[in-house]
This record gives sequence, structure tokens and C-alpha cells, in this order.
Amino acid sequence: GNSVTQMEGPVTLSEEAFLTINCTYTATGYPSLFWYVQYPGEGLQLLLKATKADDKGSNKGFEATYRKETTSFHLEKGSVQVSDSAVYFCALSASWSGAGSYQLTFGKGTKLSVIP
Amino acid sequence: DVKVTQSSRYLVKRTGEKVFLECVQDMDHENMFWYRQDPGLGLRLIYFSYDVKMKEKGDIPEGYSVSREKKERFSLILESASTNQTSMYLCASSHRVGTGALLLFGQGTRLTVV
Repeated sequence: GNSVTQMEGPVTLSEEAFLTINCTYTATGYPSLFWYVQYPGEGLQLLLKATKADDKGSNKGFEATYRKETTSFHLEKGSVQVSDSAVYFCALSASWSGAGSYQLTFGKGTKLSVIP
Repeated sequence: DVKVTQSSRYLVKRTGEKVFLECVQDMDHENMFWYRQDPGLGLRLIYFSYDVKMKEKGDIPEGYSVSREKKERFSLILESASTNQTSMYLCASSHRVGTGALLLFGQGTRLTVV
């Protein structure tokens, strides 16, 4: 079956530090890959996505590249801010049930805390 | 502003009660999902629906049921609440095809069963 493995947290960084959150996946076929972010007290929201190999998704200074050869989609940001403190989820989508629809498989989440 | 709305942010229920969690979306999405989120376990899919009156079991359906009588509304039902169902519940919706399966989430309902 499909699965997503992301690095264990929590991760604590100082402001302006470099961030990497590792994500690897197992899937049949060619899934789309996503990073979702959950700020304190809120639901999840899409941060970025990539739909095919070598695509790079980017948003709000975050980026991730879909690496088919290593089955990875690591999240990076060059300089984190206190406002980036949140839980980050890596996810993949794959078709199901022949209905042409998709469901997401999520990693367990990585909590990031950025201190001033 | 398009959104997914969950009826309650916080709920406290007693063991054995029948509990209804309601979710409404205004984006005419075909798909709707219920997840539960627990520390160290991430998001786990309970049930989903890809059309009115249709439902599919997710990874952890035991102890839950769902109802989708209208396209915009997807209800999660705890038939007899138990303490191990204390959790954060997240509703989400998406279009059936295209858009790379982008999910839009509600703010979540934190349910405590005592």
C-alpha cells in the first residue's frame, strides 16, 4: 500500500536558521506529492505541491522537489521565522476505487518551533 | 471566501452517548472526508464519500458511521462514544478529479469523551 515517512519531531530552530524536513514515500504508479501546514488551533492548509518527477513546488519561501529516484519530497526553507512555527505534514495522493477520485495518505507530521 | 465549516470547535460528551459531528462545504466538491488526528499518529482516514449517499471506509472505521444526504454536508456519527475516541476530528473536501487532489480542511473539532 501507499505510505509516507517523515522525520520525527519536534524540531526547534532559531530564527533565520535553515530548515529541512525529510519526507520519503512508497507508492505504486505516479502519485502527486504535497506539503500541508497546520498552524496552532487551525485545520490543515496546503503549503505546496508537485505532480510529477523533478517538479519543484514552492510557496512562502518553502520549496520541495519531487525526486522519483530517491522517492523523496523534502521540505526546505532558507531562513525560518517565528511565524513558521507549526506542524508540517507530507502527503501523497493516489487514485482509488476506479471512480477517478483521489485520497491522500499523510505522514505523521513534524512539529516545528522557531525561537527568536 | 470558500470554506469547510465544522459545527463545533470543542465538544465534551459522556461515554455511551451518540455523537454527531457536522461538516458543511460551500465549494460544490464531490469528495468529502473525515480524519482523526492524534499525537504521534498523524492523520488517519475514518470514512470518505465521493458522492451523495455514497460512502467508503477508510483506515479506521470501527465505532463510526457517516451520512451524506446532501452534497454539501457530511456527518460523522459516533454510535456509542468511548474514551478512546477522544481526539481532534478534521473534515475535508475536494473535487473528484483534477487539481491534484487538493484538500480543503475545516478548523477541526476537538472531542473529549469522559
